[in-house]
Amino acid sequence: AQSVTQPDIHITVSEGASLELRCNYSYGATPYLFWYVQSPGQGLQLLLKYFSGDTLVQGIKGFEAEFKRSQSSFNLRKPSVHWSDAAEYFCAVGPNTGTASKLTFGTGTRLQVTL
Amino acid sequence: EAGVTQSPTHLIKTRGQQATLRCSPISGHTSVYWYQQALGLGLQFLLWYDEGEERNRGNFPPRFSGRQFPNYSSELNVNALELEDSALYLCASSRHLRGTEAFFGQGTRLTVV
Repeated sequence: AQSVTQPDIHITVSEGASLELRCNYSYGATPYLFWYVQSPGQGLQLLLKYFSGDTLVQGIKGFEAEFKRSQSSFNLRKPSVHWSDAAEYFCAVGPNTGTASKLTFGTGTRLQVTL
Repeated sequence: EAGVTQSPTHLIKTRGQQATLRCSPISGHTSVYWYQQALGLGLQFLLWYDEGEERNRGNFPPRFSGRQFPNYSSELNVNALELEDSALYLCASSRHLRGTEAFFGQGTRLTVV
């Protein structure tokens, strides 16, 4: 069965500092990986995805993530955080059919940004 | 291009009643997914519809059901509501193609009292 672990429930960073959110997955084959962001009371917005190819993927809002098969990780990074990045971030894994069906989400990491 | 739209935004029901939630996918998307986001339980996969057929369902009781219409919009029905059904219900849509992603709506907040 597929699973996703986000070990950090809550992270606080200063505006302008770098950010790394951790995500580890368990999947029996090549996974299809996503990072989504959710602002309070809102739905989910896709930041980036990895399906195949280059293991370093660029997303929106200056985010990037690196797929490391050997570590079963897909960590999200941003070199300089803005106050508007405060939100909850979800890592998700999908089936290796490469479709968006039946995504399994991590429990989320809530990011707080201090000015 | 319009995104995924869900209605109503908020819904308050009494225990034992039925709730109906609606979702309109992005134009051109044939797959619709429903997820439940309950406090403390995270995002749980509920149902997947594609081309009018139920393709997969998560680990939820049969009182959670739905359907997809010919225009690809979808309804989620929850019968015999229980207090623990209170949650944000998120709908997402996608093309049923490899390498495509799901786009989420803003959700319906269901409160069971």
